[in-house]
Amino acid sequence: NAGVMQNPRHLVRRRGQEARLRCSPMKGHSHVYWYRQLPEEGLKFMVYLQKENIIDESGMPKERFSAEFPKEGPSILRIQQVVRGDSAAYFCASSPQGGGNQPQHFGDGTRLSIL
Amino acid sequence: AQSVAQPEDQVNVAEGNPLTVKCTYSVSGNPYLFWYVQYPNRGLQFLLKYITGDNLVKGSYGFEAEFNKSQTSFHLKKPSALVSDSALYFCAVREGNTGTASKLTFGTGTRLQVTL
Repeated sequence: NAGVMQNPRHLVRRRGQEARLRCSPMKGHSHVYWYRQLPEEGLKFMVYLQKENIIDESGMPKERFSAEFPKEGPSILRIQQVVRGDSAAYFCASSPQGGGNQPQHFGDGTRLSIL
Repeated sequence: AQSVAQPEDQVNVAEGNPLTVKCTYSVSGNPYLFWYVQYPNRGLQFLLKYITGDNLVKGSYGFEAEFNKSQTSFHLKKPSALVSDSALYFCAVREGNTGTASKLTFGTGTRLQVTL
């Protein structure tokens, strides 16, 4: 499968636990984006990363949320001390290097539920 | 700041009839515009884009969209709807000519319901 791979597809956490969401971009893509979708709403931008660099984190909450895209391995979106309001679908997208006019390609998302 | 408006929460159309899903945008510079479709429990699938050139762009599954600069619109169209087109459609914009890829701003989505 050459598409954007996200895992897990579903994640259940209790309040106060940590959630780790993983994203492997399409082959040849070095730009990764994370978006959050609340029920019946559009996608909201969270963070944009290239390998080992955060380019734009203007959509990330100031506390508890962090993201990385290491030289090797998938991009990780980490949510510490989760709260009920973190329940949402989290989507990762990727695009080719230097592809300003290229579409972003999306994974199938991780649906996070907080008990 | 960039923004997208999709004024209709839902569009209903009979199979075989033409469909239009509306989108208007606001961006500082030249717009790069995209349409995506989302099926239940899936990610967004790219349908088409406008970057430059002809105002009418053609995309996947028989969809097309018309860029209108004066009306700042980018409506999605299809001449003959299919029941299988029923899904959630998102319009998105980013500012072009910024030199690097950057975030997309999405509309709130329009649910298309095609009936027999």
